[in-house]
Amino acid sequence: SAVISQKPSRDICQRGTSLTIQCQVDSQVTMMFWYRQQPGQSLTLIATANQGSEATYESGFVIDKFPISRPNLTFSTLTVSNMSPEDSSIYLCSVGLPGTSYEQYFGPGTRLTVT
Amino acid sequence: EDKVVQSPLSLVVHEGDTVTLNCSYEVTNFRSLLWYKQEKKAPTFLFMLTSSGIEKKSGRLSSILDKKELSSILNITATQTGDSAIYLCAVANNRKLIWGLGTSLAVNP
Repeated sequence: SAVISQKPSRDICQRGTSLTIQCQVDSQVTMMFWYRQQPGQSLTLIATANQGSEATYESGFVIDKFPISRPNLTFSTLTVSNMSPEDSSIYLCSVGLPGTSYEQYFGPGTRLTVT
Repeated sequence: EDKVVQSPLSLVVHEGDTVTLNCSYEVTNFRSLLWYKQEKKAPTFLFMLTSSGIEKKSGRLSSILDKKELSSILNITATQTGDSAIYLCAVANNRKLIWGLGTSLAVNP
C-alpha cells in the first residue's frame, strides 16, 4: 500500500475565495484521482490527474472551477475556485498503485465549509 | 446510465449479530466490484471481486460476487462496535469507479 497525505484536513472559507488542496504520496504512482463527497451523497469523481498533461475532467466539472496540477508522480493539487456554499464538501484524493488493477487508495480527505 | 444501488441504506444491530449488505449494479463494460469501509472521511479498501462465485474473506468479513444476478453481498459475522461505519460498494468499468450511496451500519453494545 501507500501512505497518502492531504493538506489541509479541514478549512472554513468565505464565498468568492479559492482553496488549494494538496495530495502527497510516499511512492510514485501513475493514477491519481480527485473526488468530492457532498453531505449524504456518494463519491463523485471530479477528474483524473495526469502527470505531464492536462487533467481529464468528468461531466459537470470544468478546469476553470477545479484546476488541477500534477507536477510529478507523487504530488497533485486541486484548487476549488470562486467558492460558493454549494462547494461545501469532503474532497478526497486517491491513487491507483503500480501492479494493482482497479483498487484505489484514499488520502484522509479535506473537509471544506464555505460560508 | 451506469448505476450502483446498495441496500439497506442504514442498519442498526447489536454486538454479535451477523449482517448482510447488498450491492446491485447496472454497469456497461464491467471490470470488477469493490467494497470499502468509510469511517470519518477516507474510505479504506476491503475487497475486490472479479470472478463470480469466489468468496473473498478477511477475518469476520467476507464477500462474494454473482455476475449472473449483477450483485454482491458483504457479510460481517459477530459484529463489534468497531464495525460501525458506512460500507461503500463501487464498480469499475473500463474508465472509472461508479459508487453506490453506501450502507450506514451502527453496531450497538
